[in-house]
Amino acid sequence: DQQVKQNSPSLSVQEGRISILNCDYTNSMFDYFLWYKKYPAEGPTFLISISSIKDKNEDGRFTVFLNKSAKHLSLHIVPSQPGDSAVYFCAASASGQNFVFGPGTRLSVLP
Amino acid sequence: DAGVTQSPTHLIKTRGQQVTLRCSPKSGHDTVSWYQQALGQGPQFIFQYYEEEERQRGNFPDRFSGHQFPNYSSELNVNALLLGDSALYLCASSLLRSTEAFFGQGTRLTVV
Repeated sequence: DQQVKQNSPSLSVQEGRISILNCDYTNSMFDYFLWYKKYPAEGPTFLISISSIKDKNEDGRFTVFLNKSAKHLSLHIVPSQPGDSAVYFCAASASGQNFVFGPGTRLSVLP
Repeated sequence: DAGVTQSPTHLIKTRGQQVTLRCSPKSGHDTVSWYQQALGQGPQFIFQYYEEEERQRGNFPDRFSGHQFPNYSSELNVNALLLGDSALYLCASSLLRSTEAFFGQGTRLTVV
């Protein structure tokens, strides 16, 4: 039973355009969500997070939106840059428990 | 600050053998979590250590065990290796109850 889903295994976007990565979850107890970015041969690096008391969090080019009623969150990258090409993981936790990760979406930003 | 360091980076073992993976947390962190990432999947939580005790555990068999030392470093042990244990093993360190964890680069284990 996959509690965190990222239904797009891959996404290609032109440099300068917006990248939108989506994540759906099934556990209504999740109250904290993160996005991690992973380059090959490196561990995941933290990108941005959002608590369930918010519906939006912004950090520079990265914005995460949370729709609790739809159990859906998305990561927007504007403008996309070639260095953003990586695998992006959505992760969720409930009440400070361990994080449950999605399978990841591979983003390719084309120059 | 060296961040989270894991050793070794790559390892090949034979089915049935035992393996020990090591993790040194980021300076100042007291909590270590271990994850298994199979090819094409997201990391799956194995267990978390705090104050040398296993604090949480995911859905992994008893063949997977761990240890945390007084200096907060940690080991992951896997006994009776199966081919399906081949994966990238990630260590993440954090402060207890912090929502932000820092990952190491992982140990790539191949079981043949």
